[in-house]
Amino acid sequence: QVQLVESGGGVVQPGGSLRLSCAASGFTFNNYGMHWVRQAPGKGLEWVAFIRYDGAAKYYADSVKGRFTISRDNSKNTLSLQMNSLRADDTALYYCAKENPWDSWGQGTLVTVSS
Amino acid sequence: QAVVTQEPSLTVSPGGTVTLTCGSSTGAVTRTLNPCWFQQKPGQAPRTLIYDISNTHSWTPARFSGSLVGGKAALTLSGAQPEDEAEYYCLLSYLDGWVFGGGTKLTVL
Repeated sequence: QVQLVESGGGVVQPGGSLRLSCAASGFTFNNYGMHWVRQAPGKGLEWVAFIRYDGAAKYYADSVKGRFTISRDNSKNTLSLQMNSLRADDTALYYCAKENPWDSWGQGTLVTVSS
Repeated sequence: QAVVTQEPSLTVSPGGTVTLTCGSSTGAVTRTLNPCWFQQKPGQAPRTLIYDISNTHSWTPARFSGSLVGGKAALTLSGAQPEDEAEYYCLLSYLDGWVFGGGTKLTVL
């Protein structure tokens, strides 16, 4: 069965960095693009980034462009999100999700940016 | 990036029908924007109900359907059940990325 498990969340100071991971199983990872989506406490969903199945194309929300980098290691079935220059408004639950038809989501990993 | 609009809240009676809509600041929502609909209940990850306007997953209850109506994407719930009370989000796919709507809080009352 398809499974996505995020990890790497935690508490970080403003201006700091954090790297999130998403371990994928149950499907042929290198055939699918992957998304990161976040949700600030009590707020709606916000799309963050997408990477094509082969890593050759990447897209970012304006709010994270230049600060976040999405990547993948198809040999390890792992998706990553490197987050730099973190701000308080990056505080959120970060989900990884499989591309359209969006048939699988992880349970999320919480990132808290606070001094 | 574009702005995607949804009704902030709607109420439906048990057994009733309600339509949620999803509009785009760039103009009419068309097939090329691949509208999707997600349901989220408190404390849970989102669950995809509809993709590419009207396609459903095996877990999507038959009472949910998707369409394009009046230049917007629409999610129709026919025969609402108490367990359908949740937040519903639409998602549109643009050339430079994806954008979620702000969500519709659906109350079944």
